[in-house]
Amino acid sequence: ETGVTQSPTHLIKTRGQQVTLRCSSQSGHNTVSWYQQALGQGPQFIFQYYREEENGRGNFPPRFSGLQFPNYSSELNVNALELDDSALYLCASRTRGTIEPDTQYFGPGTRLTVL
Amino acid sequence: AQKVTQAQTEISVVEKEDVTLDCVYETRDTTYYLFWYKQPPSGELVFLIRRNSFDEQNEISGRYSWNFQKSTSSFNFTITASQVVDSAVYFCALSEWQTGGFKTIFGAGTRLFVKA
Repeated sequence: ETGVTQSPTHLIKTRGQQVTLRCSSQSGHNTVSWYQQALGQGPQFIFQYYREEENGRGNFPPRFSGLQFPNYSSELNVNALELDDSALYLCASRTRGTIEPDTQYFGPGTRLTVL
Repeated sequence: AQKVTQAQTEISVVEKEDVTLDCVYETRDTTYYLFWYKQPPSGELVFLIRRNSFDEQNEISGRYSWNFQKSTSSFNFTITASQVVDSAVYFCALSEWQTGGFKTIFGAGTRLFVKA
């Protein structure tokens, strides 16, 4: 196990609703990244947080937002859910290397289904 | 722009066979990092290896080996004497520095079935 935990494990929502997913990073890690993994595809980078600020973002609309807390845990919020938001959402934590990237350690993911 | 291609969608082998998973990447940077991850049915991505662009030495770890060839932009992964427990989806990933931090992109993955 990596020490990265995510909650909830599974979630079912309806179109238009809002959802919050949570991630607790591995001890000593100050950077958290979120990924969306649609069925049969590789993880797609959503955004990254370091010291409570977003410092990198993939091609996702503003209705995907996040927070990082002083203890480095993180939340992913998605507003106005769409059917295509159905996916496995993965959280990964690492220390923020500016010379080379430290290895990311992933949580087990939250499976979101939008009906 | 970054791109990672894993052309093999699914591979099926019989236990004890050797199997190679292909990964081809595109990048304009001279400094970058390559990774392989394993995703078992539980969903959690398990880190296998990290390699930087300046280190082209091949690596062996038990039954796993990796062949990094910068000339062909490939970073292939071989499992020797495969076992049923190797059944999973394997992802190749590329990390580059972009404003604010390293950004990682993943290939689409290769699903490996190892039959007893």
